[in-house]
Amino acid sequence: KNQVEQSPQSLIILEGKNCTLQCNYTVSPFSNLRWYKQDTGRGPVSLTIMTFSENTKSNGRYTATLDADTKQSSLHITASQLSDSASYICVVSLNYGGSQGNLIFGKGTKLSVKP
Amino acid sequence: DTEVTQTPKHLVMGMTNKKSLKCEQHMGHRAMYWYKQKAKKPPELMFVYSYEKLSINESVPSRFSPECPNSSLLNLHLHALQPEDSALYLCASSHPQGSQPQHFGDGTRLSIL
Repeated sequence: KNQVEQSPQSLIILEGKNCTLQCNYTVSPFSNLRWYKQDTGRGPVSLTIMTFSENTKSNGRYTATLDADTKQSSLHITASQLSDSASYICVVSLNYGGSQGNLIFGKGTKLSVKP
Repeated sequence: DTEVTQTPKHLVMGMTNKKSLKCEQHMGHRAMYWYKQKAKKPPELMFVYSYEKLSINESVPSRFSPECPNSSLLNLHLHALQPEDSALYLCASSHPQGSQPQHFGDGTRLSIL
């Protein structure tokens, strides 16, 4: 069964600290893995997309890693800011070609950054 | 501001009403999507349009009727909804293939009385 599992479910950190969110997946055939940020009451915003051959990708203070052998990904946030408070969703795309309807969503990690 | 615009932002309707949700994008994307998102849950795919043709319908009840009048617009027609249909309805667009991100709108918050 195709699944994407994220941990932790929720996380509270102090402003300025770093944190790492985890994503494990059992999805086949794998095409790519995406991290999205969703602020409360807003739509998800894409942070990174990584294909099979990519190990790491950065977007400002966000760095995602991918280990296709162990089927694990992480999202590292450096020097957190209050505006980083949001849900972070890991999404894996199945490689069936055609339209991008074959996405498996994780349940997300809710991050709260406190002053 | 997002590049995918959804209207209205909020909608309250009775179970016998007919209403429509609208979505517009001008990024030249030829794939558009409707998702339903309940509180504290990830988005669930409802419909996919590719080149203005319905390509995926995830067994959505017929009280939801999608329409793609042209490459920039996507509608979701609602009729005889149930209270459990209350949710955030998200529209997204992307290039139809490849490793390109889906761009989401901020959604319509729908409440069924």
